[in-house]
Amino acid sequence: AQSVAQPEDQVNVAEGNPLTVKCTYSVSGNPYLFWYVQYPNRGLQFLLKYITGDNLVKGSYGFEAEFNKSQTSFHLKKPSALVSDSALYFCAVRVPTGANNLFFGTGTRLTVIP
Amino acid sequence: SQTIHQWPATLVQPVGSPLSLECTVEGTSNPNLYWYRQAAGRGLQLLFYSVGIGQISSEVPQNLSASRPQDRQFILSSKKLLLSDSGFYLCAWSVQAGPTDTQYFGPGTRLTVL
Repeated sequence: AQSVAQPEDQVNVAEGNPLTVKCTYSVSGNPYLFWYVQYPNRGLQFLLKYITGDNLVKGSYGFEAEFNKSQTSFHLKKPSALVSDSALYFCAVRVPTGANNLFFGTGTRLTVIP
Repeated sequence: SQTIHQWPATLVQPVGSPLSLECTVEGTSNPNLYWYRQAAGRGLQLLFYSVGIGQISSEVPQNLSASRPQDRQFILSSKKLLLSDSGFYLCAWSVQAGPTDTQYFGPGTRLTVL
């Protein structure tokens, strides 16, 4: 069965510091991995995805994520956090079989402290 | 560009009342459409998805149903709401490109059942 784990419910980081939001996955087969961000009372916004190729994926708003097959991880990173990055972040995985279901993690709330 | 709309934005309904939430997509044809529910601001659960008019797949058995009467319209319904139906309902669309396609989410409907 496919699953995604976001081990941290909450991440706090000072403005200007690098941030990392962790994600690990468990799938049978090659995973397709996604990151979304959700601001309060809003829908999810797509940030980036990994399909194949370069393990470092660059996305919207200066975010990037690194796919690590041996560690089954897909951590989201940003070199310098902004207060406006404070939001709820979701990692999701899909496998290329069956329905096109996205399996979401439980989310990590990122707070950037001014 | 593509746009996805959901309405209403918020809804308060008594237990046992019917429900109809609507989702429409503009700027694309023959999209995949999805209904998700998010409880307590955390993980998303896929409820239904559709690959075409009249084609609905249910992922979770419950008292909700979905219909797709037009290519870019997706409706979530219930004949009798339960307290447990409260949550944030998100509609999403994707192009039919297989498992690598990205799902784009609408603004959501917050449903409170009293």
